[in-house]
Amino acid sequence: NAGVTQTPKFQVLKTGQSMTLQCAQDMNHEYMSWYRQDPGMGLRLIHYSVGAGITDQGEVPNGYNVSRSTTEDFPLRLLSAAPSQTSVYFCASSRLAGGAGEQYFGPGTRLTVT
Amino acid sequence: AQSVAQPEDQVNVAEGNPLTVKCTYSVSGNPYLFWYVQYPNRGLQFLLKYITGDNLVKGSYGFEAEFNKSQTSFHLKKPSALVSDSALYFCALEEGAGSYQLTFGKGTKLSVIP
Repeated sequence: NAGVTQTPKFQVLKTGQSMTLQCAQDMNHEYMSWYRQDPGMGLRLIHYSVGAGITDQGEVPNGYNVSRSTTEDFPLRLLSAAPSQTSVYFCASSRLAGGAGEQYFGPGTRLTVT
Repeated sequence: AQSVAQPEDQVNVAEGNPLTVKCTYSVSGNPYLFWYVQYPNRGLQFLLKYITGDNLVKGSYGFEAEFNKSQTSFHLKKPSALVSDSALYFCALEEGAGSYQLTFGKGTKLSVIP
């Protein structure tokens, strides 16, 4: 199993540009989520999904969209990039949605918005 | 609202000495508690979790954690630190069954000195 994969690993955007961060898992996990990690802030939940076709907002959803058309994929879309979205983004998946399942994290995408 | 506090930004310990990384939490219901570790330029890895039952939980790489309900704490411990334990450690909280949101502390950087 590849586990959780994320592409790209690095990305530089200009203010106002849009892009999609890709996330895929091959463990047939129902639960998937996106976090951003900023220095001194820990990880903050952006959006999550408890299954195909079901998504919901986390703590910091503004400026981001998600969709879940398949169990495997959970892309994160930045609609109009802003410097405040400079961060490291992690995708994670878990077998148990809301059931204390351990989360498996991807390697991260480092995004810089200039 | 649920929250997690890691009161120490950094913990330094000599190799071979016992280590403790502190975590306290605030939640209205019964918590599910987790510890994750992050090595440089990597995603997070699961170490251990407390759901219910025995207050002492054993996890990966010789780590353990003690759940203390009266003190609302979930400190991470290891009897003998290794240089390879040097990393960033995160405590995280789920507010019981049916909760889909994991709340992370800000992280504690552990440095084990040879």
